[in-house]
Amino acid sequence: GAGVSQSPSNKVTEKGKDVELRCDPISGHTALYWYRQRLGQGLEFLIYFQGNSAPDKSGLPSDRFSAERTGESVSTLTIQRTQQEDSAVYLCASTLLGTPQETQYFGPGTRLLVL
Amino acid sequence: AQSVTQPDIHITVSEGASLELRCNYSYGATPYLFWYVQSPGQGLQLLLKYFSGDTLVQGIKGFEAEFKRSQSSFNLRKPSVHWSDAAEYFCAVGGSGGYNKLIFGAGTRLAVHP
Repeated sequence: GAGVSQSPSNKVTEKGKDVELRCDPISGHTALYWYRQRLGQGLEFLIYFQGNSAPDKSGLPSDRFSAERTGESVSTLTIQRTQQEDSAVYLCASTLLGTPQETQYFGPGTRLLVL
Repeated sequence: AQSVTQPDIHITVSEGASLELRCNYSYGATPYLFWYVQSPGQGLQLLLKYFSGDTLVQGIKGFEAEFKRSQSSFNLRKPSVHWSDAAEYFCAVGGSGGYNKLIFGAGTRLAVHP
């Protein structure tokens, strides 16, 4: 596609439920990033995928968070047993190669509300 | 540890006035520096970036930024603000780990008075 897409755009869930967020990167982009943006704050890095290399999971806040990506395609971010503090906008970005000077192209985000 | 500080949470300027948004960073090596803008209902868009060369960089929409190593700063400027510039602006530093994991500041929300 022309840009990074994410689904759903909005998700409301109850505390304790699991949620799955999806990201479709720009076609041909090998690197994919997930970020979290809490209300009134900047983005926090969560996880990075580069091709078939082991992902950098250093930003995942707890073991309730996990993410998968198969090859250079779609990625899913899963949050198990959601808590109210997980409420945030989850943003996905992709780049062609994952080098430091590249521009990251961001999707529109998924707004998650945990009641 | 790397960090980015944007001292101004909110800034209000009149249309046509000049603008400067401050950004200070903490990074051990030569940083890769970025400014992104987030408009209501829109995703993050890159305004400009710096990683080497001329310390004054030009971006889209008439924005520029100057890298000052001695001050650990990368302030964003625009000589004449337009109402459409009202948005949230994020400074970020990247390059850690050999790839582009971005560390973002908390953002500066810009309001423009007509």
